[in-house]
Amino acid sequence: SQQGEEDPQALSIQEGENATMNCSYKTSINNLQWYRQNSGRGLVHLILIRSNEREKHSGRLRVTLDTSKKSSSLLITASRAADTASYFCATVLTGGGNKLTFGTGTQLKVEL
Amino acid sequence: DVKVTQSSRYLVKRTGEKVFLECVQDMDHENMFWYRQDPGLGLRLIYFSYDVKMKEKGDIPEGYSVSREKKERFSLILESASTNQTSMYLCASRDRDGRASYEQYFGPGTRLTVT
Repeated sequence: SQQGEEDPQALSIQEGENATMNCSYKTSINNLQWYRQNSGRGLVHLILIRSNEREKHSGRLRVTLDTSKKSSSLLITASRAADTASYFCATVLTGGGNKLTFGTGTQLKVEL
Repeated sequence: DVKVTQSSRYLVKRTGEKVFLECVQDMDHENMFWYRQDPGLGLRLIYFSYDVKMKEKGDIPEGYSVSREKKERFSLILESASTNQTSMYLCASRDRDGRASYEQYFGPGTRLTVT
């Protein structure tokens, strides 16, 4: 079953613009993670935010978490063509231990 | 540097064949995972292992089995491949519970086609 749903499914922007992706989930979480996948490749971990955190930054990435709305957003500032990829949110459920449950992803295209 | 490798990038098999997908990690991680990825469905967990010879079913284990005889190696087995198992298969590993990070490290994936 899908825990996370990303919105939008696809996003196309110009280089230099900001890109925002949203993730909603259904049940209580321990943490939420964002991953990037370049076409036909494995996933790369970007950032993790714990359930008691509201905002986190890493370079050009900013993640927010609203546990009352069961939602998270990933903001990529000053996007580059190299940011073109699919982005997935993944949750570790409270008491879920090892398991990551992934959403269906947002395809981001950054055009020159 | 962290590394997860998978035995093949592309694989074509016939219906009914037994298929082995191999995954090796060099990070001494306790936990290893197999996912399949299909368009519109995201990643779905097939099986995971939290220690040598230990395994647990994920969300979609039917038609698959796994083997973990050594800590660094986790194999996914399709006993009798079917066309609905055509997919991208991704292996991942993670450090043991209690460590700081829940981050999973992924291999490059194996695109399996069953004809």
